[in-house]
Amino acid sequence: RKEVEQDPGPFNVPEGATVAFNCTYSNSASQSFFWYRQDCRKEPKLLMSVYSSGNEDGRFTAQLNRASQYISLLIRDSKLSDSATYLCVVLGTGRRALTFGSGTRLQVQP
Amino acid sequence: DGGITQSPKYLFRKEGQNVTLSCEQNLNHDAMYWYRQDPGQGLRLIYYSQIVNDFQKGDIAEGYSVSREKKESFPLTVTSAQKNPTAFYLCASSTTGDIQYFGAGTRLSVL
Repeated sequence: RKEVEQDPGPFNVPEGATVAFNCTYSNSASQSFFWYRQDCRKEPKLLMSVYSSGNEDGRFTAQLNRASQYISLLIRDSKLSDSATYLCVVLGTGRRALTFGSGTRLQVQP
Repeated sequence: DGGITQSPKYLFRKEGQNVTLSCEQNLNHDAMYWYRQDPGQGLRLIYYSQIVNDFQKGDIAEGYSVSREKKESFPLTVTSAQKNPTAFYLCASSTTGDIQYFGAGTRLSVL
């Protein structure tokens, strides 16, 4: 089983739609969780950290369920500029290095 | 401008050749990392360093080597032992080992 699993997509949605991505992780001792965004042929950039209480940044909402080892990202009112690959990222214990999911590709269409 | 600079942007390797990818940061971060990304896949950790003069192997270290002689610099050498080096190589740095910031990457291809 992969340490971090994501649905690869692609998710094709119209502008203005609400879309949700899910991610599961295998290490119950994982400490920190993030969503990164990666545009085609570019480096990943931090979108948001994920906290147990859930957190929101504008149109983006991230939630963590430690009991189910599950992370989600909700994007409301999708824009064309949201088209990208969204990477679920987990910080494990011990070596202090991040483990990346393979990413979920989102294509927002006009 | 603070940030992480990777060079070159594109690199070509001949059979049996070692090549070195540069990564420099002026963010005063203690930790630095090297990842490899293959098409349609996530990032895989090659090597990381939490402090100067110390580094650890990641998940796919075979065929690669690194050094950390200065806090600002963490070069990666792709040796001839790496039989499938074609990939997108990303360098990152962080202060606490949590949020990592990435350079723009180097695309390595084999001639």
